[in-house]
Amino acid sequence: NAGVTQTPKFRILKIGQSMTLQCTQDMNHNYMYWYRQDPGMGLKLIYYSVGAGITDKGEVPNGYNVSRSTTEDFPLRLELAAPSQTSVYFCASPSGRRNTEAFFGQGTRLTVV
Amino acid sequence: KQEVTQIPAALSVPEGENLVLNCSFTDSAIYNLQWFRQDPGKGLTSLLLIQSSQREQTSGRLNASLDKSSGRSTLYIAASQPGDSATYLCAVQSYNTDKLIFGTGTRLQVFP
Repeated sequence: NAGVTQTPKFRILKIGQSMTLQCTQDMNHNYMYWYRQDPGMGLKLIYYSVGAGITDKGEVPNGYNVSRSTTEDFPLRLELAAPSQTSVYFCASPSGRRNTEAFFGQGTRLTVV
Repeated sequence: KQEVTQIPAALSVPEGENLVLNCSFTDSAIYNLQWFRQDPGKGLTSLLLIQSSQREQTSGRLNASLDKSSGRSTLYIAASQPGDSATYLCAVQSYNTDKLIFGTGTRLQVFP
């Protein structure tokens, strides 16, 4: 059971480039989240999904887009990369809506230069 | 708006010490509080989840308490070991959003 898998682990982008961060979970969970973690800071919620076909904005959605066409996959898209998007990105999937353990991927370290 | 604070930001202790990490939150309307461990370059691993109706949870050498009315939680680590070195984050799940709101973490180093 792999849990939550993120790819790639590392990426360097040039300003203005685009990319998609992949997240897949094999636990058949409805809930999936994308967070970013800046140095010395906590995790900030970017987008989340409560099931296939349903997505919503978190605290810091600007500059990002998501889709949820299947239960397993929740990709995060950066359209025009900016230096402010340099961060570590984590995908998470709790087993339920409330009072449930959250499972995290290993993270994607993104640098925009 | 819910805000979560962790003190201290960093802690360095000799092996064998008992230690306490603190987490405070501004809005007591929460479903639960979770403690996570994060190793360098890795994702987060859930350690303990305390539901709002509970006062504490224990797992091995870890004990987490919750005082919802005062907006505080502590993570107690008994007989610390070098393998406990990591960053510890707390997060609350608030009534009004259902989302996990994270603190900034405490970076713990346990030296032999």
